[in-house]
Amino acid sequence: EAGVAQSPRYKIIEKRQSVAFWCNPISGHATLYWYQQILGQGPKLLIQFQNNGVVDDSQLPKDRFSAERLKGVDSTLKIQPAKLEDSAVYLCASSLSDSGWGLAGADTQYFGPGTRLTVL
Amino acid sequence: GNSVTQMEGPVTLSEEAFLTINCTYTATGYPSLFWYVQYPGEGLQLLLKATKADDKGSNKGFEATYRKETTSFHLEKGSVQVSDSAVYFCALRGVTGGYNKLIFGAGTRLAVHP
Repeated sequence: EAGVAQSPRYKIIEKRQSVAFWCNPISGHATLYWYQQILGQGPKLLIQFQNNGVVDDSQLPKDRFSAERLKGVDSTLKIQPAKLEDSAVYLCASSLSDSGWGLAGADTQYFGPGTRLTVL
Repeated sequence: GNSVTQMEGPVTLSEEAFLTINCTYTATGYPSLFWYVQYPGEGLQLLLKATKADDKGSNKGFEATYRKETTSFHLEKGSVQVSDSAVYFCALRGVTGGYNKLIFGAGTRLAVHP
């Protein structure tokens, strides 16, 4: 079974530029997550999708970050314009569902390799 | 709000040594607890989990017990190998700000030498 795919793996941009990251979840996984992992910290959830709807975007800086999952499969996260403090690894994860009820392990999250963003 | 605190790293051990990585949590309700591992150049992988008090999660020789009385979920392994070198993240899944989300600790880097 193919895992979660992300691209690009690395990206270097100047501040105030725009950047986009792509994620393709595991086939059949309804729930998709984007996390930000700043160096030396644990991942922090930015946004969670259930199919093509947003479940939780409470920690997404909406003035500069946006994300979409139009067909309920792959997803794009965009930053426009980027700031120095956006330098981080952006992780995408997916799970069968967002609930621990029902099928055991259905809410287990599987992570992609991440995109390392450096803003200069 | 919910939070996870892990011991700071790096933890440096010789091969076959005993490993403990401490993890404590603060949460309302009854969270599920997890350990994830991140090998160099790879994504996070679920190592083990426990969903209720006194449950023991185990995998690949690692184990952790959900201790509600001490709000802890310490990771242990009896004999580490060089291939265990990685960053280990403790996490809880519980209701935060009205949403059921995964909250991670800062991670503990483990380096095992031959």
